[in-house]
Amino acid sequence: QIQLVQSGAEVKKPGASVKVSCKASGYTFTSYGIAWVRQAPGQGLEWMGWTSGYNDNTIYSYKVQDRVTMTIDTSTSTAYMDIRSLISDDTAVYYCARDLSNEVQDYWGQGTLVTVSS
Amino acid sequence: DIQMTQSPSSLSASVADRVTITCRASQSIGTLINWYQQKPGTAPKLLIYAASSLQSGVSSRFSGSGSGTDFTLTISSLQPEDFATYYCQQTYGSPRTFGQGTKVEIK
Repeated sequence: QIQLVQSGAEVKKPGASVKVSCKASGYTFTSYGIAWVRQAPGQGLEWMGWTSGYNDNTIYSYKVQDRVTMTIDTSTSTAYMDIRSLISDDTAVYYCARDLSNEVQDYWGQGTLVTVSS
Repeated sequence: DIQMTQSPSSLSASVADRVTITCRASQSIGTLINWYQQKPGTAPKLLIYAASSLQSGVSSRFSGSGSGTDFTLTISSLQPEDFATYYCQQTYGSPRTFGQGTKVEIK
């Protein structure tokens, strides 16, 4: 069955960086992209970007593009999202989701809580 | 950014009720809209894509319609497991944007 398993919760200080991983299984990783969506506590969903599953084609939301890097490792079917210069507003649950062509997120990871606190 | 405005923000309904949630886009998006269901503490689940296509495995009591700027998600007969928050998402422009959510609660 199709699964996306994300890395565990993180607590970081303001100004630090965090790297969230998303390991895919049950489908051909290179045939689909990965989208990243976050949700601040008690808030709605915010799309952060999309990366191809087979090349370096990546599309970022302009709201985060200066601090976020999305990468993939096809050898391990894993996607990564790196966020730099963390601020308190980055406190959120971060989700990865399978997304063929940046249009539909059909399978989701379980989410990774990132807490930014001094 | 394309703004997606859902209404209502919340509603109370009973089991077996017909429920309709609307989503209005700030500009025409064709049929490039998806609908997701989210229960507390869990990831969103895709219900409808491309305005009216039912995701595999999703109950047929869910349906979507609309084009241009006005869209609806309908639950034909509300079941206990349908109490959740529902989000629309446009995939016409970048960044992809979600509505603010509609919380469906038990009356």
